[in-house]
Amino acid sequence: AQSVAQPEDQVNVAEGNPLTVKCTYSVSGNPYLFWYVQYPNRGLQFLLKYITGDNLVKGSYGFEAEFNKSQTSFHLKKPSALVSDSALYFCAVRDPQAGTALIFGKGTTLSVSS
Amino acid sequence: EAGVTQSPTHLIKTRGQQATLRCSPISGHTSVYWYQQALGLGLQFLLWYDEGEERNRGNFPPRFSGRQFPNYSSELNVNALELEDSALYLCASSLVLGGQETQYFGPGTRLLVL
Repeated sequence: AQSVAQPEDQVNVAEGNPLTVKCTYSVSGNPYLFWYVQYPNRGLQFLLKYITGDNLVKGSYGFEAEFNKSQTSFHLKKPSALVSDSALYFCAVRDPQAGTALIFGKGTTLSVSS
Repeated sequence: EAGVTQSPTHLIKTRGQQATLRCSPISGHTSVYWYQQALGLGLQFLLWYDEGEERNRGNFPPRFSGRQFPNYSSELNVNALELEDSALYLCASSLVLGGQETQYFGPGTRLLVL
C-alpha cells in the first residue's frame, strides 16, 4: 500500500539557518510527490511538486525539494529560514489506486525562532 | 482569480443531526475532493467527484456522502453525526491531467459535534 512518512513531529531552527523537513514514501510505481503548508486555522497551500525530470524541484516562498529515488525520499529544504515559515508542513503522494486522491503524511510542525 | 471557497467556516451540530458543507472550485476545475483533518488522525481522503460523478471514496462509512452540481460546486453531507466527526473538512479542486495535476485547497469548514 502507498504511504508517506514524516519522521519528525517538530523541527526547530533559528532564523537565517537552513531548514530541512523530511519525507519518505512508499509507492508501487512512479511517485507523484507534493508538499503543502498549513498556517493556523487555514487550509493547505501548495508549495511544490515532483512529477518527473530534474530531481531538484523549486517552489513557492524559496522552498525546494530533492527527490531521491534510491532513498525513496522527498525532503523539503530552504537555505535561510524566516520566522514567517513557522507552520505545519505536509508531504503527500498520489495514490494511483484511489484515482487522483492524495495520501498525506502526519505533518511536521516547523518552528523558526528569531 | 478566486480560489476554492467553502461554507460555512464553522458549523456546530449535535450528535445524530445532519451536516451539509459546501465547496466552490476554482473556475475551470472539474474535480472536487473532500478530506477530513481530525485531531490525531491527520488528513484523510473522503470523496472525489469529477464531471458530476463520484469517482472514488475513502475508507469512510456511507453516512458520508455528497454530490457535484453542473457548475462543479459540491456539497458534503454527513448524516447521523457522531462526536468523532468533529474535524476540519477541506475541499480541494483540480483539473484532471493523468495524475499530475495539483490540488488546490479551500480554507475548510470546522465542524464541531456536541
